[in-house]
Amino acid sequence: GAVVSQHPSWVICKSGTSVKIECRSLDFQATTMFWYRQFPKQSLMLMATSNEGSKATYEQGVEKDKFLINHASLTLSTLTVTSAHPEDSSFYICSASRAEYEQYFGPGTRLTVT
Amino acid sequence: EDQVTQSPEALRLQEGESSSLNCSYTVSGLRGLFWYRQDPGKGPEFLFTLYSAGEEKEKERLKATLTKKESFLHITAPKPEDSATYLCAVRGTDKLIFGTGTRLQVFP
Repeated sequence: GAVVSQHPSWVICKSGTSVKIECRSLDFQATTMFWYRQFPKQSLMLMATSNEGSKATYEQGVEKDKFLINHASLTLSTLTVTSAHPEDSSFYICSASRAEYEQYFGPGTRLTVT
Repeated sequence: EDQVTQSPEALRLQEGESSSLNCSYTVSGLRGLFWYRQDPGKGPEFLFTLYSAGEEKEKERLKATLTKKESFLHITAPKPEDSATYLCAVRGTDKLIFGTGTRLQVFP
């Protein structure tokens, strides 16, 4: 149990376009979902926390207008990178919380902006 | 400020050579210390949660322990398939804070 999926697993897009990444909890209902960003050989940095049906809470320094998060249901959250630029290229990972403190992570999405 | 420091950054072991990974932390009001395994290009895989000093958990060749200042991940008789980055994270008041991980390589 506690399986989280992400789609797509990798995406290449042109500078200025938008990209949507989906995160789904497959076998449990997630009250809270999280979006992280990870640069090579660095740790995970929390970008935002989202609860179903409410606005996401963004970490300091994360542009909410650039990284749009929608948590439409207890099993689906989406991250849209708007007007992507090469510096947005990174590994994006979502996680879903089933118990109060435990998080289960998706496999990640590799975004490359050319 | 909540902080997590993992050591060593990288560790090379011969198959069967037991060792330990360290996670030192400072957090106001610990609400859990978590160990994850991450393979290259993949998301972290949950291993253990520890909540209080003195607690220990085991899974196959891995054993996690917790004190008030640090946690250890002991690897007994590792195999090449144990090669991965091991991440430690702590939860304080509101979110997980991750360490930078220990990259473990086990050679046959």
